Amino acid sequence: AQKITQTQPGMFVQEKEAVTLDCTYDTSDPSYGLFWYKQPSSGEMIFLIYQGSYDQQNATEGRYSLNFQKARKSANLVISASQLGDSAMYFCAMRGLTGRRALTFGSGTRLQVQP
Amino acid sequence: DVKVTQSSRYLVKRTGEKVFLECVQDMDHENMFWYRQDPGLGLRLIYFSYDVKMKEKGDIPEGYSVSREKKERFSLILESASTNQTSMYLCASSFWREGPTGELFFGEGSRLTVL
Repeated sequence: AQKITQTQPGMFVQEKEAVTLDCTYDTSDPSYGLFWYKQPSSGEMIFLIYQGSYDQQNATEGRYSLNFQKARKSANLVISASQLGDSAMYFCAMRGLTGRRALTFGSGTRLQVQP
Repeated sequence: DVKVTQSSRYLVKRTGEKVFLECVQDMDHENMFWYRQDPGLGLRLIYFSYDVKMKEKGDIPEGYSVSREKKERFSLILESASTNQTSMYLCASSFWREGPTGELFFGEGSRLTVL
């Protein structure tokens, strides 16, 4: 079984600043994947970034990077140069190598970018 | 682009009614999922399906059933709606892959209110 913990219900950041959204996980699988999704107020879930547990380097996608610390079981999302359009709910999720194909999600962090 | 379409964005039903939520994907994905999203709880898996006529329970299947008669369509059924089933329902799909990679593609969600 997998568990995802997001301890920040809400975050504020000034436009153009960087922000880190925390995510810790727990799993007994030797191989697993970590995902981040963005959900704007319109409701659709947008896939942002993926990190495999055996990947040597931290994943990056444009302004998004994943700070993966395997020993600490953390997979924090870093958004650089925040924009007003980054205001949204952000969900961390994971899937193990074994077991079901669904993702297990955390409770989410609501990010508000202030001008 | 992958398209996952949910039949209704907003529904209002009365306690005891039978409710059908329909989901169709156009990318020939093997896997389909139904999640429920509630504030502070994130997304919780209700049911999922790996193939036609196949279904497996997720974490919160009580009060729900599903149907997958065709590969592209996955229906969520509330046999007798109750007020505690008022929620946002998200359908998702994905390809089958070895290992933990492969993101889920989501529909826009169906917001159900049970009075």
